[in-house]
Amino acid sequence: AQSVAQPEDQVNVAEGNPLTVKCTYSVSGNPYLFWYVQYPNRGLQFLLKYITGDNLVKGSYGFEAEFNKSQTSFHLKKPSALVSDSALYFCAVSLRGSSNTGKLIFGQGTTLQVKP
Amino acid sequence: DGGITQSPKYLFRKEGQNVTLSCEQNLNHDAMYWYRQDPGQGLRLIYYSQIVNDFQKGDIAEGYSVSREKKESFPLTVTSAQKNPTAFYLCASSIDMAGGFFFGPGTRLTVL
Repeated sequence: AQSVAQPEDQVNVAEGNPLTVKCTYSVSGNPYLFWYVQYPNRGLQFLLKYITGDNLVKGSYGFEAEFNKSQTSFHLKKPSALVSDSALYFCAVSLRGSSNTGKLIFGQGTTLQVKP
Repeated sequence: DGGITQSPKYLFRKEGQNVTLSCEQNLNHDAMYWYRQDPGQGLRLIYYSQIVNDFQKGDIAEGYSVSREKKESFPLTVTSAQKNPTAFYLCASSIDMAGGFFFGPGTRLTVL
């Protein structure tokens, strides 16, 4: 079965420190990979995506993510966390080509808490 | 949230009632989706439509129905057959799978 795993329910980090939110996936073929952020009672906002090319992808608000094909991972990172980064983060994958069923498969989400 | 609107923002339903959640997009996207969000469970796909007048069941379609009569609109009806409908409902649209999804602001449904 196709799945996305975010192994940490919550990540705590001090403001100014680097942060990492982990994501691994188990899908057939080479998927498209995405990160979204959600603030309370709001919809999801797009952060970044990996389609092809450079394994390090840069996105909105200073976030970046590293695609690792051998480890089937797509970890979200930021060099210096801000209190305003505190939110719920979702990793998601979609399938390419003939495997494309029109679905976006989500991880269960990781709450990021950045403390002053 | 730009380009996709959902209404109402909050909805209260009595047991046994059907309710319809609205989703409208002006992004000219062919595909539209409904997801349900529960705490600790991520987002689960209810229904999706890749083109007008066509839609498919997602992973948790039981107790829900949809229609896609116009490209811009994809309403979701939560029927009385849905045993645990209290949740946050998110509508999304996409132009293609590489482009990713655009999400609406969500509707929080509470059953009284």
